Amino acid sequence: QQQVKQSPQSLIVQKGGISIINCAYENTAFDYFPWYQQFPGKGPALLIAIRPDVSEKKEGRFTISFNKSAKQFSLHIMDSQPGDSATYFCAARNVNFNKFYFGSGTKLNVKP
Amino acid sequence: NAGVMQNPRHLVRRRGQEARLRCSPMKGHSHVYWYRQLPEEGLKFMVYLQKENIIDESGMPKERFSAEFPKEGPSILRIQQVVRGDSAAYFCASSPPRTANYGYTFGSGTRLTVV
Repeated sequence: QQQVKQSPQSLIVQKGGISIINCAYENTAFDYFPWYQQFPGKGPALLIAIRPDVSEKKEGRFTISFNKSAKQFSLHIMDSQPGDSATYFCAARNVNFNKFYFGSGTKLNVKP
Repeated sequence: NAGVMQNPRHLVRRRGQEARLRCSPMKGHSHVYWYRQLPEEGLKFMVYLQKENIIDESGMPKERFSAEFPKEGPSILRIQQVVRGDSAAYFCASSPPRTANYGYTFGSGTRLTVV
């Protein structure tokens, strides 16, 4: 059972464009929603995170939008750059078990 | 403050041998998690450990795989009698005891190749 559903599986964006990756969940016990960025051959690195009492969080060119009622959250990368080309994973933590569930990943390719 | 340290970075084993992967969590982190990632795929949860305790091993294959996090020393993921299908990247992550706003910190992974 996939606890966190992520889409799209892959994404191609032109340099300067906006990249949008979406995630959805069902479990209301989730209380913390991070996004991870992974470059080939590297481990995932925490990019940005949000709690459900906030509808939006912005850090530089990266923004998380959170819709609690719809149980959906998304990552927006503004002014996408070739250096942003990586795989992005959303995740959600179950407050009862201190355990994160990961989406299946989105491979982003930003064309120069 | 060193991050999560995993070794070796690359490990080659012949079918039937044992693979032993090590993970030293960040200083102050008492929770360790192991994930497996197949090429072009997502992160699959394997096991969650605290010092001397296995908290959740629901993602561990029932046979050949085991994990420990002793009182002293790194966490170890052990794969006995490896098969080609065990070839993957294995990532360790650590976290402090439950806090409000803290995600995992991942290591750089061990890439296991079974020949």
